[in-house]
Amino acid sequence: ELKVEQNPLFLSMQEGKNYTIYCNYSTTSDRLYWYRQDPGKSLESLFVLLSNGAVKQEGRLMASLDTKARLSTLHITAAVHDLSATYFCAVDPREYGKLTFGQGTILTVHP
Amino acid sequence: GAVVSQHPSWVICKSGTSVKIECRSLDFQATTMFWYRQFPKQSLMLMATSNEGSKATYEQGVEKDKFLINHASLTLSTLTVTSAHPEDSSFYICSAMRDADSPLHFGNGTRLTVT
Repeated sequence: ELKVEQNPLFLSMQEGKNYTIYCNYSTTSDRLYWYRQDPGKSLESLFVLLSNGAVKQEGRLMASLDTKARLSTLHITAAVHDLSATYFCAVDPREYGKLTFGQGTILTVHP
Repeated sequence: GAVVSQHPSWVICKSGTSVKIECRSLDFQATTMFWYRQFPKQSLMLMATSNEGSKATYEQGVEKDKFLINHASLTLSTLTVTSAHPEDSSFYICSAMRDADSPLHFGNGTRLTVT
C-alpha cells in the first residue's frame, strides 16, 4: 500500500523567513503533484513533477522531486501572509488520476 | 480559469434522502473522472473512478450501492449519494485530467450536510 507522509504537519512562520515542507512516499513513482487548499475551498494545482530531478518554481515557491530517495520538497522563500493555506503533496503511481495524498501541511504566516 | 465545474457547491439534506452531484469538464473530454472525499481537517481520499460508457470502479471500503456514479458523456459524471446519513456529511470533490502530463484538475467541491 502506497503511503505518502508530509513533514511537518503544522508550520508557523514569520513573514520573510524561509522553510521547506517534505513529502516522502513509499513506492516507486515519477509523478508527484503539489496542491494548495484554502479553508472551505477546493484544491489549486501548484506544481506537476514528472521526472527525477525535476525542479519547478513559481513566485516564492519551489518544488523538487528525487525519485530515488522518494522525496519531494516544497521550499518557501521569504514567506508572506498570502501563502497561509494547507499544502498537499500527492503521488500518482502510474494510474493517472488515482492520487494518494499526504496528510497536508497547515502553513500559517505571521507578520 | 476553471476547467472542471461541480454543482452544487453545497447541499443540506435530510437523513434518508438522496443527493446528486454533477461534475463537468469544461473544455476537454474526459473519459475518466475521479471522485474524492474529504472529511473535516483530513486529507483527500479517492472514492471511485468514473469511466465513460462503463461501470465505475470503487476503492476498497466504498459502498457502490450507496455512492452511485454515472458517466453518461465525455464531459459529465454524476455522483448520487443514496439514502444519505449524517456520517456521509463531507466535502466531495470531483476531478479530471486533460492529458497525462497535466495536473489533476479539481472541481470546486460540494459540501454535503446530512441532518
